[in-house]
Amino acid sequence: NAGVTQTPKFRILKIGQSMTLQCTQDMNHNYMYWYRQDPGMGLKLIYYSVGAGITDKGEVPNGYNVSRSTTEDFPLRLELAAPSQTSVYFCASSSGVGANVLTFGAGSRLTVL
Amino acid sequence: GENVEQHPSTLSVQEGDSAVIKCTYSDSASNYFPWYKQELGKRPQLIIDIRSNVGEKKDQRIAVTLNKTAKHFSLHITETQPEDSAVYFCAASIIAGTYKYIFGTGTRLKVLA
Repeated sequence: NAGVTQTPKFRILKIGQSMTLQCTQDMNHNYMYWYRQDPGMGLKLIYYSVGAGITDKGEVPNGYNVSRSTTEDFPLRLELAAPSQTSVYFCASSSGVGANVLTFGAGSRLTVL
Repeated sequence: GENVEQHPSTLSVQEGDSAVIKCTYSDSASNYFPWYKQELGKRPQLIIDIRSNVGEKKDQRIAVTLNKTAKHFSLHITETQPEDSAVYFCAASIIAGTYKYIFGTGTRLKVLA
């Protein structure tokens, strides 16, 4: 049981490039989330999904896109990367039942130069 | 919009002393309040949570209190140890709602030996 797996762990992008952060979970969780964490700051919700085929914007969605074609996978797409997107990105999932505890992935550190 | 304020941003205590971190939330519909601990370079992990129908919850050296009227909740760590040094995040959510979490900005706790 791997939990929530994110790839890559580190990535450096040039301004204007695009990339996809991958996230997969093996807990059969309905809910999945993408957060970004800037240095010294809290976690800001980018997008979330309540099930396959359903996604919704969080607090800071601009510059990002997501898709949820399966229960397991929730990739985050960055189009036209900007320095402001330099951050640590965390994917998380939850069952959507009861206390709905968030389980986080290990994080992906992205630098845009 | 929904907001969670967290204080202090940094906290230094002597080993064995107590530490208190406070959070205030804005959405009166919030009814679930988890606390996450994030060690340096690691993912956030749940340490304790409380629902709005409970005023206090304790787990060994950690306790959380909730004041629904004032819309604030606090984390109490007693007999602090060096391994308690980390960043702590509070969050507010709505059970059986959208399951969106709003996080505080974090408190960096340093326990001095």
